[in-house]
Amino acid sequence: KQEVTQIPAALSVPEGENLVLNCSFTDSAIYNLQWFRQDPGKGLTSLLLIQSSQREQTSGRLNASLDKSSGRSTLYIAASQPGDSATYLCAVPPPSNTGKLIFGQGTTLQVKP
Amino acid sequence: EPEVTQTPSHQVTQMGQEVILRCVPISNHLYFYWYRQILGQKVEFLVSFYNNEISEKSEIFDDQFSVERPDGSNFTLKIRSTKLEDSAMYFCASSEGRDNQPQHFGDGTRLSIL
Repeated sequence: KQEVTQIPAALSVPEGENLVLNCSFTDSAIYNLQWFRQDPGKGLTSLLLIQSSQREQTSGRLNASLDKSSGRSTLYIAASQPGDSATYLCAVPPPSNTGKLIFGQGTTLQVKP
Repeated sequence: EPEVTQTPSHQVTQMGQEVILRCVPISNHLYFYWYRQILGQKVEFLVSFYNNEISEKSEIFDDQFSVERPDGSNFTLKIRSTKLEDSAMYFCASSEGRDNQPQHFGDGTRLSIL
Protein backbone atom coordinates (compact mmCIF):
# COMPACT_ATOMS: atom_id res chain seq x y z
CA LYS A 1 0.00 0.00 0.00
CA GLN A 2 1.44 3.34 -1.04
CA GLU A 3 2.29 5.71 1.81
CA VAL A 4 3.55 9.26 1.48
CA THR A 5 5.54 11.03 4.17
CA GLN A 6 6.72 14.62 4.44
CA ILE A 7 9.41 15.72 6.83
CA PRO A 8 9.67 18.12 8.59
CA ALA A 9 6.08 18.86 9.59
CA ALA A 10 6.97 22.52 10.06
CA LEU A 11 9.79 24.78 8.98
CA SER A 12 10.59 28.41 9.78
CA VAL A 13 13.18 30.35 7.80
CA PRO A 14 14.21 33.98 7.37
CA GLU A 15 13.26 35.77 4.19
CA GLY A 16 15.68 35.30 1.32
CA GLU A 17 16.83 31.84 2.31
CA ASN A 18 16.80 28.94 -0.16
CA LEU A 19 15.05 25.89 1.22
CA VAL A 20 14.17 22.29 0.44
CA LEU A 21 11.01 20.41 1.32
CA ASN A 22 11.06 16.64 1.31
CA CYS A 23 8.55 14.02 0.23
CA SER A 24 9.05 10.26 0.34
CA PHE A 25 6.87 7.43 -0.92
CA THR A 26 7.02 3.71 -0.25
CA ASP A 27 6.15 2.28 -3.68
CA SER A 28 8.40 3.51 -6.49
CA ALA A 29 5.94 2.44 -9.22
CA ILE A 30 4.40 5.87 -9.59
CA TYR A 31 3.16 7.60 -12.74
CA ASN A 32 3.80 11.08 -11.47
CA LEU A 33 4.10 13.21 -8.36
CA GLN A 34 2.28 16.45 -7.76
CA TRP A 35 3.19 19.30 -5.39
CA PHE A 36 0.47 21.53 -3.98
CA ARG A 37 0.29 24.63 -1.87
CA GLN A 38 -2.47 25.09 0.72
CA ASP A 39 -3.13 28.45 2.35
CA PRO A 40 -5.05 28.45 5.67
CA GLY A 41 -8.76 27.82 5.10
CA LYS A 42 -8.25 27.50 1.36
CA GLY A 43 -8.07 24.78 -1.22
CA LEU A 44 -5.04 23.22 -2.81
CA THR A 45 -3.20 25.03 -5.56
CA SER A 46 -1.30 22.82 -7.97
CA LEU A 47 2.33 23.94 -8.20
CA LEU A 48 4.14 21.31 -10.23
CA LEU A 49 3.53 17.84 -11.65
CA ILE A 50 6.54 15.66 -12.43
CA GLN A 51 5.97 12.68 -14.66
CA SER A 52 7.72 9.43 -13.80
CA SER A 53 10.01 9.81 -16.83
CA GLN A 54 11.18 13.25 -15.69
CA ARG A 55 13.82 14.16 -13.14
CA GLU A 56 12.90 17.81 -12.63
CA GLN A 57 10.26 20.43 -13.20
CA THR A 58 10.67 24.15 -12.74
CA SER A 59 8.22 26.98 -12.31
CA GLY A 60 9.64 30.37 -11.41
CA ARG A 61 11.45 30.09 -8.06
CA LEU A 62 10.24 26.52 -7.57
CA ASN A 63 12.10 23.43 -8.67
CA ALA A 64 10.84 19.92 -8.00
CA SER A 65 12.97 16.84 -8.45
CA LEU A 66 12.01 13.19 -8.53
CA ASP A 67 14.10 10.12 -7.75
CA LYS A 68 11.79 7.15 -8.20
CA SER A 69 14.35 4.52 -7.29
CA SER A 70 14.89 6.01 -3.84
CA GLY A 71 11.24 6.97 -3.41
CA ARG A 72 11.93 10.66 -2.93
CA SER A 73 10.98 14.05 -4.25
CA THR A 74 12.17 17.48 -3.18
CA LEU A 75 10.68 20.90 -3.68
CA TYR A 76 13.33 23.61 -3.79
CA ILE A 77 12.22 27.18 -3.16
CA ALA A 78 14.76 29.84 -4.07
CA ALA A 79 14.99 33.23 -2.37
CA SER A 80 12.01 32.61 -0.10
CA GLN A 81 9.51 35.39 0.56
CA PRO A 82 6.89 35.89 3.31
CA GLY A 83 4.25 35.22 0.66
CA ASP A 84 5.59 31.68 0.35
CA SER A 85 4.29 30.93 3.84
CA ALA A 86 1.79 28.08 3.46
CA THR A 87 1.48 24.31 3.81
CA TYR A 88 3.09 22.36 0.99
CA LEU A 89 1.68 18.93 0.13
CA CYS A 90 2.95 16.24 -2.16
CA ALA A 91 0.73 13.54 -3.65
CA VAL A 92 1.09 10.49 -5.89
CA PRO A 93 -1.39 8.25 -7.66
CA PRO A 94 -1.32 4.58 -6.58
CA PRO A 95 0.57 2.08 -8.80
CA SER A 96 -2.75 1.17 -10.40
CA ASN A 97 -3.05 4.81 -11.56
CA THR A 98 -6.77 5.00 -11.04
CA GLY A 99 -6.66 8.78 -10.86
CA LYS A 100 -6.96 9.20 -7.11
CA LEU A 101 -4.14 10.91 -5.24
CA ILE A 102 -2.48 9.76 -2.02
CA PHE A 103 -1.28 12.72 0.02
CA GLY A 104 1.46 13.35 2.50
CA GLN A 105 0.65 15.23 5.68
CA GLY A 106 2.33 18.39 4.45
CA THR A 107 5.10 20.72 5.58
CA THR A 108 3.98 24.05 7.01
CA LEU A 109 6.43 26.73 5.99
CA GLN A 110 6.78 30.10 7.67
CA VAL A 111 9.03 32.68 6.03
CA LYS A 112 9.82 35.49 8.44
CA PRO A 113 10.43 39.03 7.12
CA GLU B 1 -7.68 31.37 -15.24
CA PRO B 2 -10.50 28.79 -14.98
CA GLU B 3 -11.08 27.43 -11.51
CA VAL B 4 -13.11 24.88 -9.60
CA THR B 5 -15.82 26.52 -7.52
CA GLN B 6 -17.53 25.02 -4.49
CA THR B 7 -20.63 26.04 -2.58
CA PRO B 8 -21.36 26.64 0.18
CA SER B 9 -18.07 27.60 1.79
CA HIS B 10 -19.39 26.55 5.20
CA GLN B 11 -22.31 24.25 6.03
CA VAL B 12 -23.59 23.60 9.54
CA THR B 13 -25.99 20.67 9.86
CA GLN B 14 -27.62 18.66 12.62
CA MET B 15 -26.53 15.05 12.94
CA GLY B 16 -28.78 12.76 10.93
CA GLN B 17 -29.67 15.39 8.35
CA GLU B 18 -28.90 15.13 4.67
CA VAL B 19 -26.40 17.52 3.13
CA ILE B 20 -25.48 18.25 -0.49
CA LEU B 21 -22.15 19.82 -1.35
CA ARG B 22 -21.89 21.42 -4.76
CA CYS B 23 -19.03 21.85 -7.17
CA VAL B 24 -18.59 23.35 -10.61
CA PRO B 25 -15.50 21.77 -12.19
CA ILE B 26 -13.41 23.41 -14.90
CA SER B 27 -15.49 23.29 -18.05
CA ASN B 28 -13.33 21.13 -20.34
CA HIS B 29 -12.33 18.66 -17.62
CA LEU B 30 -13.56 15.09 -17.81
CA TYR B 31 -12.47 13.58 -14.48
CA PHE B 32 -13.97 14.65 -11.18
CA TYR B 33 -13.02 13.86 -7.59
CA TRP B 34 -14.05 14.42 -4.02
CA TYR B 35 -11.56 14.46 -1.15
CA ARG B 36 -11.92 15.33 2.48
CA GLN B 37 -9.58 16.64 5.16
CA ILE B 38 -10.41 16.19 8.81
CA LEU B 39 -8.82 18.92 10.90
CA GLY B 40 -5.13 18.19 11.43
CA GLN B 41 -5.13 15.09 9.23
CA LYS B 42 -4.11 14.21 5.69
CA VAL B 43 -6.22 14.91 2.63
CA GLU B 44 -8.11 11.65 1.90
CA PHE B 45 -9.59 10.45 -1.36
CA LEU B 46 -13.33 9.73 -1.37
CA VAL B 47 -14.43 9.08 -4.94
CA SER B 48 -13.56 9.61 -8.59
CA PHE B 49 -16.11 10.05 -11.37
CA TYR B 50 -15.77 9.77 -15.13
CA ASN B 51 -18.21 9.34 -17.99
CA ASN B 52 -21.18 9.64 -15.64
CA GLU B 53 -20.17 6.85 -13.35
CA ILE B 54 -17.99 6.21 -10.33
CA SER B 55 -14.49 5.07 -11.32
CA GLU B 56 -13.27 4.32 -7.84
CA LYS B 57 -14.36 4.89 -4.27
CA SER B 58 -12.57 4.58 -0.96
CA GLU B 59 -13.64 2.68 2.14
CA ILE B 60 -14.89 5.98 3.56
CA PHE B 61 -17.40 6.32 0.71
CA ASP B 62 -20.06 4.01 2.11
CA ASP B 63 -23.79 3.79 1.35
CA GLN B 64 -24.40 7.14 3.07
CA PHE B 65 -22.48 8.91 0.29
CA SER B 66 -23.47 9.46 -3.31
CA VAL B 67 -22.28 11.61 -6.18
CA GLU B 68 -24.11 12.98 -9.15
CA ARG B 69 -23.51 15.10 -12.20
CA PRO B 70 -27.06 16.35 -12.71
CA ASP B 71 -26.25 18.58 -15.67
CA GLY B 72 -23.28 19.57 -17.80
CA SER B 73 -21.67 21.74 -15.17
CA ASN B 74 -22.44 20.68 -11.60
CA PHE B 75 -20.94 17.80 -9.61
CA THR B 76 -22.49 17.08 -6.22
CA LEU B 77 -21.67 15.04 -3.14
CA LYS B 78 -24.59 13.97 -0.98
CA ILE B 79 -24.32 12.61 2.52
CA ARG B 80 -27.65 11.02 3.37
CA SER B 81 -27.57 10.86 7.16
CA THR B 82 -24.68 12.85 8.57
CA LYS B 83 -22.62 11.71 11.55
CA LEU B 84 -20.41 13.73 13.87
CA GLU B 85 -17.33 12.17 12.26
CA ASP B 86 -18.34 13.56 8.86
CA SER B 87 -17.20 16.98 10.07
CA ALA B 88 -14.35 17.92 7.75
CA MET B 89 -13.29 20.09 4.86
CA TYR B 90 -14.56 18.60 1.60
CA PHE B 91 -12.66 19.38 -1.58
CA CYS B 92 -13.80 18.91 -5.14
CA ALA B 93 -11.17 18.50 -7.86
CA SER B 94 -11.15 18.03 -11.60
CA SER B 95 -8.64 17.13 -14.27
CA GLU B 96 -8.54 17.18 -18.03
CA GLY B 97 -7.42 13.57 -18.23
CA ARG B 98 -6.37 10.83 -15.85
CA ASP B 99 -2.77 10.23 -16.90
CA ASN B 100 -0.23 12.90 -16.02
CA GLN B 101 -2.77 15.68 -15.84
CA PRO B 102 -2.75 17.87 -12.74
CA GLN B 103 -5.80 17.90 -10.54
CA HIS B 104 -7.23 21.32 -9.80
CA PHE B 105 -8.96 21.83 -6.48
CA GLY B 106 -11.70 24.11 -5.26
CA ASP B 107 -11.49 26.10 -2.02
CA GLY B 108 -13.53 23.50 -0.20
CA THR B 109 -16.69 23.32 1.89
CA ARG B 110 -16.23 23.21 5.64
CA LEU B 111 -18.90 20.82 6.95
CA SER B 112 -19.71 21.04 10.65
CA ILE B 113 -22.04 18.42 12.13
CA LEU B 114 -23.65 19.30 15.46
